Amino acid sequence: KAGVTQTPRYLIKTRGQQVTLSCSPISGHRSVSWYQQTPGQGLQFLFEYFSETQRNKGNFPGRFSGRQFSNSRSEMNVSTLELGDSALYLCASSHPGTANTGELFFGEGSRLTVL
Amino acid sequence: SQQGEEDPQALSIQEGENATMNCSYKTSINNLQWYRQNSGRGLVHLILIRSNEREKHSGRLRVTLDTSKKSSSLLITASRAADTASYFCACNQAGTALIFGKGTTLSVSS
Repeated sequence: KAGVTQTPRYLIKTRGQQVTLSCSPISGHRSVSWYQQTPGQGLQFLFEYFSETQRNKGNFPGRFSGRQFSNSRSEMNVSTLELGDSALYLCASSHPGTANTGELFFGEGSRLTVL
Repeated sequence: SQQGEEDPQALSIQEGENATMNCSYKTSINNLQWYRQNSGRGLVHLILIRSNEREKHSGRLRVTLDTSKKSSSLLITASRAADTASYFCACNQAGTALIFGKGTTLSVSS
């Protein structure tokens, strides 16, 4: 079974631009969560989607948004990029039966650099 | 916040030694999990312990949970160089997202 796939793996943007990151969960998983990882703040929860509905949301500004499609694939978007948005963005999926309580399966992440 | 906090932040040991990492959290939890991350990669789930469990084993891993002290520990026995990684605890309450601590960086030298 294929794992969680995130694209692109690496990208470089400039301040003010916007970026869209994509995540394909493990087949059969309907829950997708997004995390931002930086050396200073560690892993911070962005949002979680289940069956196309945002179920939980972290404490990030409105520039950060996401969505989930009917095939459970998810995208997150960051608009008006700031230098501080440089980070590793991690997507994780979980099996329906373990949503909110069980194991998360992570992708390799998308490393965003903002210049 | 129910975020877990790991201790120590960094740990250096020799191969064959045991490594112990601790995690403290602030509120009641549904379960507590431990994850491992190799440098710059995604996280890998190691073990989950539920709030009504006190100890769990998986291979060379042993996890304990003390809900009265709001703490957990991860013990890796007979460490190997391949165990070099960052280790994170994560916890949540029912219906909420999994929140991670800042991790312990383990370095195992041969």
